[in-house]
Amino acid sequence: DQQVKQNSPSLSVQEGRISILNCDYTNSMFDYFLWYKKYPAEGPTFLISISSIKDKNEDGRFTVFLNKSAKHLSLHIVPSQPGDSAVYFCAASWAGSYQLTFGKGTKLSVIP
Amino acid sequence: EAGVVQSPRYKIIEKKQPVAFWCNPISGHNTLYWYRQNLGQGPELLIRYENEEAVDDSQLPKDRFSAERLKGVDSTLKIQPAELGDSAVYLCASSFSGVSTYEQYFGPGTRLTVT
Repeated sequence: DQQVKQNSPSLSVQEGRISILNCDYTNSMFDYFLWYKKYPAEGPTFLISISSIKDKNEDGRFTVFLNKSAKHLSLHIVPSQPGDSAVYFCAASWAGSYQLTFGKGTKLSVIP
Repeated sequence: EAGVVQSPRYKIIEKKQPVAFWCNPISGHNTLYWYRQNLGQGPELLIRYENEEAVDDSQLPKDRFSAERLKGVDSTLKIQPAELGDSAVYLCASSFSGVSTYEQYFGPGTRLTVT
C-alpha cells in the first residue's frame, strides 16, 4: 500500500512557464513533507520542505503548497528552466520518526 | 563541505556472490541511513543508525543483508549471497539529529547489477 503517491510519471513544460508537480498521501500521521530532486547518476538532493502547520513555503522559484484536508501537496516552479529537468520525489515523515516515505517520482522535462 | 561519499559507484556480480558497499557520511552527521531504490520507485529505507547503534533495521532482510557502523562514522552494507532481485541502487544518506532531522543528505549511490 503506497502511502505517498505521485500519479504523474512524467511532465513536459516549456521553458519560462510554470511547472506543477503533485503528490498525494494517505497516512494522517504525516506532518512534514519534503521535495527532493534527482539528476541521473546522482543521489536525491533536498529541495524544499513544509510543515503541516503551514500551507505554503516559498524559496526562490520553488513554492510548495499543502492542503491537509485533501492530503495533497504540490510543488510549483516558476519560471521553469532547462536545468530543472530531473526526477522530483515527494517524501513525508512524522514527528518522532526519522523515516522518510517516498513517492515513485515525477520526471520533469523543461523544453527550451 | 564534502558530501556523502559512497563506493563503489557501480558493481556487477553473479548471483550467490557476496558484495559490500561503503559509505562515509557528512562530517558531524550522527545519523546514517541505507536505502534501496528499485527502478521506477522511490528510495526505501533499509536501516538507520544513530551513532554506532542500529535503531531501525525492521526493513533489512536479515537473512542475507548485514550492516555495520564502526566508531559511528563510516558504514558498510553487505549482501551475502546476492540474488537477482537485489539489483538496485543502494543509497546512503546522513543527517544531524536535533536540528532539521527530516532533511537527509544523500550520496550518489551504488548501482548493483546481479547477473
